[in-house]
Amino acid sequence: DTGVSQDPRHKITKRGQNVTFRCDPISEHNRLYWYRQTLGQGPEFLTYFQNEAQLEKSRLLSDRFSAERPKGSFSTLEIQRTEQGDSAMYLCASSQTRGDTQYFGPGTRLTVL
Amino acid sequence: AQSVTQLGSHVSVSEGALVLLRCNYSSSVPPYLFWYVQYPNQGLQLLLKYTTGATLVKGINGFEAEFKKSETSFHLTKPSAHMSDAAEYFCAVSPSPYSGGGADGLTFGKGTHLIIQP
Repeated sequence: DTGVSQDPRHKITKRGQNVTFRCDPISEHNRLYWYRQTLGQGPEFLTYFQNEAQLEKSRLLSDRFSAERPKGSFSTLEIQRTEQGDSAMYLCASSQTRGDTQYFGPGTRLTVL
Repeated sequence: AQSVTQLGSHVSVSEGALVLLRCNYSSSVPPYLFWYVQYPNQGLQLLLKYTTGATLVKGINGFEAEFKKSETSFHLTKPSAHMSDAAEYFCAVSPSPYSGGGADGLTFGKGTHLIIQP
């Protein structure tokens, strides 16, 4: 069990650029979740997958955000035309099934200049 | 709809003193309840969780929490604080898998920063 990993750990970009983050869940975990955490706040749910199917998306996930999990293993989160308000920590978590403990990765800290 | 309220954005206790972090939730369906801890520049680590059964739940590092349905609370306690307990603590709720529907994301409170005074 190597834990949930995320890459990169830090990303600095200029407003208007596109960024992509990767999450590798714990192997054999069917569910994968994305959260966003801004300074001084708790994580906010963005979306989740069961295997390769995206089952739920939060209203926080604007049209500029897209997530994929093409083979039911790793996932990517892309933000197009970044805005300063997108600056946050993006957390990924995985679990075996619904209701099970969600194990979190270390996060990707995005700074939009 | 679900929500979590954590009373006190900052809590300061002396080393060796009782730690009490408060969490109240609102949920229209039976919830699962969680406490996570976050150390600086790290991800969240599960301290403990309540699903069903015994309402007093023991977790790691000497923490425990009690689910009180009548008070819609899930307060976190530790009898004796240690310097290493200084961190951010988050209470979270999710719908029980048996409650129907497909929602599965965690709803977090805003967090409580625990400060340990020497």
